[in-house]
Amino acid sequence: DAGITQSPRYKITETGRQVTLMCHQTWSHSYMFWYRQDLGHGLRLIYYSAAADITDKGEVPDGYVVSRSKTENFPLTLESATRSQTSVYFCASSESFGNTIYFGEGSWLTVV
Amino acid sequence: AQSVTQLDSHVSVSEGTPVLLRCNYSSSYSPSLFWYVQHPNKGLQLLLKYTSAATLVKGINGFEAEFKKSETSFHLTKPSAHMSDAAEYFCVVSNNAGNMLTFGGGTRLMVKP
Repeated sequence: DAGITQSPRYKITETGRQVTLMCHQTWSHSYMFWYRQDLGHGLRLIYYSAAADITDKGEVPDGYVVSRSKTENFPLTLESATRSQTSVYFCASSESFGNTIYFGEGSWLTVV
Repeated sequence: AQSVTQLDSHVSVSEGTPVLLRCNYSSSYSPSLFWYVQHPNKGLQLLLKYTSAATLVKGINGFEAEFKKSETSFHLTKPSAHMSDAAEYFCVVSNNAGNMLTFGGGTRLMVKP
């Protein structure tokens, strides 16, 4: 069972470059999420989507852009990467309100 | 607004001894609460969840948690630690709509042989 797959798993990029992290889920879940994990902050929500073409900001959306043209995909773009965006990024999905949220294995991003 | 506090950033136990990971929450409504586990370089896996049914919730791998409204706590326990339990554990509260999770800071569990 593929579940949620993230790519790339590891990425090093330079300040100012555009980076896109991909997320694909095979369950046809309505909700998808992007979190970042930083030491001392736990996981913080960047953006979420309730369905295709519906997205909304989370706790820390600045510097990020999302889109969801298809239910199964939810890419996260850093338009101009900064060092403060060095983090581990987790994509997640859930079937509906209140259901369990399932996480991908994470994308380690380093901005130099 | 909702928040979660995990009272210990690190817990160390010996293999075969009980595990207690403490979590307090605040929420303006009846919360849904979760415990997730994260092994090194891996994603998060759901251990158990509380959604206003039984206050004692049983999860995978022998873990359980008790919801205590009067104490606003949701501590995670296991009777006997195994080496494979060494990981980071997150207590999580969900908002009323179920579409936004607030994570605690995490507790790193170390298990000594």
